[in-house]
Amino acid sequence: GAGVSQSPSNKVTEKGKDVELRCDPISGHTALYWYRQSLGQGLEFLIYFQGNSAPDKSGLPSDRFSAERTGGSVSTLTIQRTQQEDSAVYLCASSFDRSNEQFFGPGTRLTVL
Amino acid sequence: KNEVEQSPQNLTAQEGEFITINCSYSVGISALHWLQQHPGGGIVSLFMLSSGKKKHGRLIATINIQEKHSSLHITASHPRDSAVYICALGSARQLTFGSGTQLTVLP
Repeated sequence: GAGVSQSPSNKVTEKGKDVELRCDPISGHTALYWYRQSLGQGLEFLIYFQGNSAPDKSGLPSDRFSAERTGGSVSTLTIQRTQQEDSAVYLCASSFDRSNEQFFGPGTRLTVL
Repeated sequence: KNEVEQSPQNLTAQEGEFITINCSYSVGISALHWLQQHPGGGIVSLFMLSSGKKKHGRLIATINIQEKHSSLHITASHPRDSAVYICALGSARQLTFGSGTQLTVLP
């Protein structure tokens, strides 16, 4: 069956532009997570959705970052006024519910010039 | 102090060797995850465990809740096992990741 998909796979943008990253979780998975991995760094948590609600936004690095999830399915992560330090691989994961194994998407590599 | 510590950071082994990667943590968790990140960047979940031991093929994961310690073992290692192995602490809402162990298995 289909796994977690993310689009685009690569995004190059100029500093100051807004970007939208998309995640399509596995069908039926209620929990959805966004993480990022900066070059040479470990993975860090950004935000978690249970259904369409985001009970934990503690990992969002600044108010330029926002995320939403609609219909308990697709999620978009929006970064406004991108900065060079936003360059990273943004990973999405989903799980059947929050106590289950997470399945990761292939990631979106964002480069801010 | 980091909530989760992995060791070693880097590990080089010869094909066929038995490999152990360790993970120690300092907080309460609902589960501990072992992940594998391939050179191309894709992440695969290997194990999720909250007690005891799990085995999948040549991979074995153990956890000692009292000692807050987990190990990932690879038996009869193979060059295709070369990857970064990441320990992650599971709570109700997120994963907290270790810094990873870069494993290289030489033929």
